[in-house]
Amino acid sequence: NAGVTQTPKFQVLKTGQSMTLQCAQDMNHNSMYWYRQDPGMGLRLIYYSASEGTTDKGEVPNGYNVSRLNKREFSLRLESAAPSQTSVYFCASKGGGWEKDTEAFFGQGTRLTVV
Amino acid sequence: QKEVEQNSGPLSVPEGAIASLNCTYSDRGSQSFFWYRQYSGKSPELIMFIYSNGDKEDGRFTAQLNKASQYVSLLIRDSQPSDSATYLCAVKYSWGKLQFGAGTQVVVTP
Repeated sequence: NAGVTQTPKFQVLKTGQSMTLQCAQDMNHNSMYWYRQDPGMGLRLIYYSASEGTTDKGEVPNGYNVSRLNKREFSLRLESAAPSQTSVYFCASKGGGWEKDTEAFFGQGTRLTVV
Repeated sequence: QKEVEQNSGPLSVPEGAIASLNCTYSDRGSQSFFWYRQYSGKSPELIMFIYSNGDKEDGRFTAQLNKASQYVSLLIRDSQPSDSATYLCAVKYSWGKLQFGAGTQVVVTP
């Protein structure tokens, strides 16, 4: 049981390049999330998907787009990377309906550097 | 406007003592509250959650919730060096939005 799998683990981009961070979960969870973590800032919510077919903005959505491809997969796209997007990105998923107080499981993170 | 606030620390705690961590939130519509622990370079892991006013205990951890004052706290009793980590408070809002605070770093000294 892999849980939440993120790819890639590390990435270096040049300013203006685009890329997609992939996230897949095998726990049949309804809700999925993308966060970024910067020193001293904690986890900041970029986008979330409460259920398959829905996506909503979080605290810091500018510069990002998401796709809930199916129940398992939730991808995050940077269309034109900027140095301010240098961060560690975490994907998470949560079971039950959005109203359920269940644990959110996190992937191992993607360390992205934009130069 | 930051909706979930925590003291960043570091909070230095002698081994065997009680560590007390606080978290405040701004939205009275907040439904449930979670405490996660994150070791350096690792992913966050759930410690416990609470949704009713009062105390909830799980082993050496106690979560306390006061909705009228809009704060939630975490007590760690008999602190151990292995408790040295960053503790993240998370708030669940309507429609599944799960928002985290900046985290409090705890350092347990032998």
